[in-house]
Amino acid sequence: AQKITQTQPGMFVQEKEAVTLDCTYDTSDQSYGLFWYKQPSSGEMIFLIYQGSYDEQNATEGRYSLNFQKARKSANLVISASQLGDSAMYFCAMREPFNTGGFKTIFGAGTRLFVKA
Amino acid sequence: GAGVSQSPSNKVTEKGKDVELRCDPISGHTALYWYRQSLGQGLEFLIYFQGNSAPDKSGLPSDRFSAERTGGSVSTLTIQRTQQEDSAVYLCASSLRTGLRETQYFGPGTRLLVL
Repeated sequence: AQKITQTQPGMFVQEKEAVTLDCTYDTSDQSYGLFWYKQPSSGEMIFLIYQGSYDEQNATEGRYSLNFQKARKSANLVISASQLGDSAMYFCAMREPFNTGGFKTIFGAGTRLFVKA
Repeated sequence: GAGVSQSPSNKVTEKGKDVELRCDPISGHTALYWYRQSLGQGLEFLIYFQGNSAPDKSGLPSDRFSAERTGGSVSTLTIQRTQQEDSAVYLCASSLRTGLRETQYFGPGTRLLVL
């Protein structure tokens, strides 16, 4: 079963506008963590933002905010005031415990964001 | 630099040959992860080390894949009898401690092409 679903393979946004990248997840655990990573064309994975399942407030990191709706199991990333350098692949990920101990991180398929000048 | 490093950065091999991919985590990071990213796809979790032990190896795609970590530091991912479908970017990540709230730092990856 798909654990992390990103329904937007590609998105366009005009420079300086805000954009929302969708992410839904599936888990039966009560304790889990949600992440967003950015992967530019150079290939490195860059951590953007984290939301814990018990965090009551939505996470924010500069121009990034996470719209966490626990009942709907969604964790959408909002990028405000888009910049040309935001053009990249964006991955939603969920961290959950292993049955055998430890944790694993499951990634979605990604959304490619194109910022237009 | 003090980041995660991986070698080689690129590897071209012939089908049937064995390959070894190396990951040097950030010094002091106890957790180490291997992922595989096929072209245009998301990351596929392969294996995770806490110290030198891997609590769950079920993410490895087949018994041709193995991984080890020694001294709580360097890790090697070995693929035996490579197949064309093994072609992908293999990413390594490390983190200071495990837990739900854990930031993984990724290496630049090894691009493997099996001809």
